Amino acid sequence: AQKITQTQPGMFVQEKEAVTLDCTYDTSDPSYGLFWYKQPSSGEMIFLIYQGSYDQQNATEGRYSLNFQKARKSANLVISASQLGDSAMYFCAMRGHYSGTYKYIFGTGTRLKVLA
Amino acid sequence: EPEVTQTPSHQVTQMGQEVILRCVPISNHLYFYWYRQILGQKVEFLVSFYNNEISEKSEIFDDQFSVERPDGSNFTLKIRSTKLEDSAMYFCASSEDGVAKNIQYFGAGTRLSVL
Repeated sequence: AQKITQTQPGMFVQEKEAVTLDCTYDTSDPSYGLFWYKQPSSGEMIFLIYQGSYDQQNATEGRYSLNFQKARKSANLVISASQLGDSAMYFCAMRGHYSGTYKYIFGTGTRLKVLA
Repeated sequence: EPEVTQTPSHQVTQMGQEVILRCVPISNHLYFYWYRQILGQKVEFLVSFYNNEISEKSEIFDDQFSVERPDGSNFTLKIRSTKLEDSAMYFCASSEDGVAKNIQYFGAGTRLSVL
């Protein structure tokens, strides 16, 4: 069975500082994808970044980077130079590539508050 | 930038009534999904749809639920007889393909309130 664990229900960060949101996962699939989504208070789910399990390098998208440690089964999201608009709920998700499933498994989320 | 569109943004209904939640996926996408998020909880998969048929469904997606692609653009989720516990945010998503990367793009959601 696949599982995503986000152990930080809430985080605070000072504006312009970097913050790391933790995500660990469990899967028996030899190949899988890891995703991060942002959910602002308005409710929509915004795709941020993707990491494939066989990607040689950690993914980066602008101020977002993914600290992927395969042996530790962790896929932490790093947000650099935090902005007030980064205040939101952040979800880590996973999809196995060989389990014959299309569905994402989501974690419980981390609520990030950026302080001015 | 192309986006997934969901209507209505908020639906209020009486228990036992039927509701239809509507979605317009991104136009060149072939795979469609419904997820739901009960308030304060994590996002849960309901169903995936490809080539005009359900490709996968969860235990939540029982006989009260159905999905349809009535035309070339819309993708709907119907709940036949709503229960109080169906109150949730329902997200539609679509992806260009079902393999490898399979980035799913989500709509803004429909908040369903069952009274």
